[in-house]
Amino acid sequence: DSGVTQTPKHLITATGQRVTLRCSPRSGDLSVYWYQQSLDQGLQFLIQYYNGEERAKGNILERFSAQQFPDLHSELNLSSLELGDSALYFCASSQYSGLTGELFFGEGSRLTVL
Amino acid sequence: AQRVTQPEKLLSVFKGAPVELKCNYSYSGSPELFWYVQYSRQRLQLLLRHISRESIKGFTADLNKGETSFHLKKPFAQEEDSAMYYCALSGQSGANNLFFGTGTRLTVIP
Repeated sequence: DSGVTQTPKHLITATGQRVTLRCSPRSGDLSVYWYQQSLDQGLQFLIQYYNGEERAKGNILERFSAQQFPDLHSELNLSSLELGDSALYFCASSQYSGLTGELFFGEGSRLTVL
Repeated sequence: AQRVTQPEKLLSVFKGAPVELKCNYSYSGSPELFWYVQYSRQRLQLLLRHISRESIKGFTADLNKGETSFHLKKPFAQEEDSAMYYCALSGQSGANNLFFGTGTRLTVIP
């Protein structure tokens, strides 16, 4: 499957902990986007990388950080976790740095903070 | 600031009936609007974009700048249309992110 791959699918952890979510974009896509979806919320844009460089930043907390590696996979690091960080985290990819309107989404990583 | 509102969390219609999923947006400039759909056990995927003025799976959406709306319509709903629908806004051509609404879950009753 050459689609967007996210791991882990589910993660349960405790407050104060740190986790890393991983995303592999579609083959050939250089842009990776991270979104957070909390209960009853729409998808909130967190951050975008293009070919290893940060391209756009949304409502990403200072406790969160991300990076894109030379092989184009991306990691979202969430630290000092709080109960409110429990959410579904989506990664999406696209070919270009600017938005053409079509993002290809992964299945998401569901984070539960207890 | 950009904002997308989908007033209905849930919408149920009978098979063969018309369906309209509402989307209103707030943006001071010239927006680009999209509808994304998530079928059961599938990934979120693009359904259509206003700039293409296309009909996908019988769905159409017209951008009404006066009413700041981009409602999704289909004249005859099918059972396979049951899904979660998200309206999304890009504030600038080539902008690097989409603003999503909270989504509407459409159920088509056989």
